[in-house]
Amino acid sequence: GDSVTQMEGPVTLSEEAFLTINCTYTATGYPSLFWYVQYPGEGLQLLLKATKADDKGSNKGFEATYRKETTSFHLEKGSVQVSDSAVYFCALSINSGYSTLTFGKGTMLLVSP
Amino acid sequence: DTGVSQDPRHKITKRGQNVTFRCDPISEHNRLYWYRQTLGQGPEFLTYFQNEAQLEKSRLLSDRFSAERPKGSFSTLEIQRTEQGDSAMYLCASRGQGTMDYTFGSGTRLTVV
Repeated sequence: GDSVTQMEGPVTLSEEAFLTINCTYTATGYPSLFWYVQYPGEGLQLLLKATKADDKGSNKGFEATYRKETTSFHLEKGSVQVSDSAVYFCALSINSGYSTLTFGKGTMLLVSP
Repeated sequence: DTGVSQDPRHKITKRGQNVTFRCDPISEHNRLYWYRQTLGQGPEFLTYFQNEAQLEKSRLLSDRFSAERPKGSFSTLEIQRTEQGDSAMYLCASRGQGTMDYTFGSGTRLTVV
């Protein structure tokens, strides 16, 4: 079946450091790929997405590129802020049928001043 | 539009009691999803509605769980004879036709004591 694997956390960084959170996937079809962010006690917010190979999603300084050859969608940010502290989820959805989302286990990011 | 609304935000119940949660999706979204998220894990798919029709159910949705979307607008998720293992965050998401943009509610956190 479809699955998403993320690097385990927590990832601890100092403010203004470079961030990478790795995400790889397996899918039977041609998925769309997503990064969601979850702040404590809250639901999920869409951070960025990419719907086909080589697409780059970007939002709020975060970027991720859909790499079909390596089945990856790594999240990056050049300079993190304390306010970026949250749990980040990589997810996929097959562009057919019911298009349910399949999530990774999440990676907690902790940014210190 | 105020996004996806879920009620209640928190529910504490005694084992064996029944509970019901409500989700109000974005009004023009005809697709509605329920997910369950346990501590330290990513959300897991429970069930999917297109308009009022329940089109897919996960094996996670035991006989004690039932979901409805009677008029294709709001949805309810009922858990009968709750067990401690039902303690989780229950998330609702909606999606419009022809898009891959899922919008999540803030979730209902259930604690079974």
